[in-house]
Amino acid sequence: DTAVSQTPKYLVTQMGNDKSIKCEQNLGHDTMYWYKQDSKKFLKIMFSYNNKELIINETVPNRFSPKSPDKAHLNLHINSLELGDSAVYFCASSLRAGTSAKNIQYFGAGTRLSVL
Amino acid sequence: DQQVKQNSPSLSVQEGRISILNCDYTNSMFDYFLWYKKYPAEGPTFLISISSIKDKNEDGRFTVFLNKSAKHLSLHIVPSQPGDSAVYFCAASARGGGNKLTFGTGTQLKVEL
Repeated sequence: DTAVSQTPKYLVTQMGNDKSIKCEQNLGHDTMYWYKQDSKKFLKIMFSYNNKELIINETVPNRFSPKSPDKAHLNLHINSLELGDSAVYFCASSLRAGTSAKNIQYFGAGTRLSVL
Repeated sequence: DQQVKQNSPSLSVQEGRISILNCDYTNSMFDYFLWYKKYPAEGPTFLISISSIKDKNEDGRFTVFLNKSAKHLSLHIVPSQPGDSAVYFCAASARGGGNKLTFGTGTQLKVEL
């Protein structure tokens, strides 16, 4: 009954490959996010979607493409993986801005991506 | 340009004592602040939050204080327990920012017996 679940937990791949990370939430939230935690442990937002609509798109290479088939899912596809993409990627979800519980985001356990 | 800073990468406290974790921010548009706790190999877990219209919020052993003029907030844990040992992240969001959270780099708290 995990609230925000990500798969896979670990992903090891070669440079140049294309990979996807999946995220699902069962909290009934309508906003979902992707964060990247780099080697310095700095957590930085990449994207957010509200009801399948992109609302935040930080300065992220266009090799990264989020896809939201419905409001309970937000997947991250990465093309032509590079060494610098190695990091832990966290998915999160929340109620939309303007609601009483705004900004309390619930995180998945993370996907550790290693690019060799 | 780090808008949320946690200048102490680590803190060690004895069980039963008070733990004080500090956070500074530079963006005056931030109006909501949160603390998250993170264990190894897990995602951050929401702990407590405070709106900029308040200067204190308390939840059990956890209290967050906000000093807007100093752009500073702190998390107090009293009494500290060994299970509190984790990395604590301070985060902030701005009105109209689409729920974007800006995180600090975290403070590793170790509560010793």
